[in-house]
Amino acid sequence: GQNIDQPTEMTATEGAIVQINCTYQTSGFNGLFWYQQHAGEAPTFLSYNVLDGLEEKGRFSSFLSRSKGYSYLLLKELQMKDSASYLCAVRNNAGNMLTFGGGTRLMVKP
Amino acid sequence: NAGVMQNPRHLVRRRGQEARLRCSPMKGHSHVYWYRQLPEEGLKFMVYLQKENIIDESGMPKERFSAEFPKEGPSILRIQQVVRGDSAAYFCASSPGVVGNTEAFFGQGTRLTVV
Repeated sequence: GQNIDQPTEMTATEGAIVQINCTYQTSGFNGLFWYQQHAGEAPTFLSYNVLDGLEEKGRFSSFLSRSKGYSYLLLKELQMKDSASYLCAVRNNAGNMLTFGGGTRLMVKP
Repeated sequence: NAGVMQNPRHLVRRRGQEARLRCSPMKGHSHVYWYRQLPEEGLKFMVYLQKENIIDESGMPKERFSAEFPKEGPSILRIQQVVRGDSAAYFCASSPGVVGNTEAFFGQGTRLTVV
């Protein structure tokens, strides 16, 4: 089976750094994705990890530890437009399905 | 290169009617995925299709729901005899393949309201 856990909501201040955690227990693993979803819009791809370690892309970084079944998304220099839901998703062994967590709703305050 | 196109964006149906949701994948993509998102919840996988084949429908309800991806034309998600609980956003995603870091690209979704 697949089980992916994320905090439901987080609040942070503009200009700060926030870390959104994701833990997973899955029957297979072939990569972990982070997506951003603004209210009423489509999810958009942020990052992909398949090996342990940190992937950095501008203000966004994503970390993976396969042995711990753990990932986090790090957002630096927060901006108001970063207020959105952040979805963690694990791809199965066959590579044909993404299983999503419930998403973390991030609110950035001035 | 247009993205994943879904239509209609909004669909209102009365209980007992049929709902047809369409998805045209990105050019060059032959893999289509349908997800359902209830209000305030995450995305739930429904079905994965390639041209003319259903590969994985483990997330599809056993009754009233069906999906197809014909050789020509868009993928269709069909819900027969809709009920209030079917009200949700239905997202379609497409990808060129299943290996590597090929992420899925999502359409804007169809918001189905059953009244």
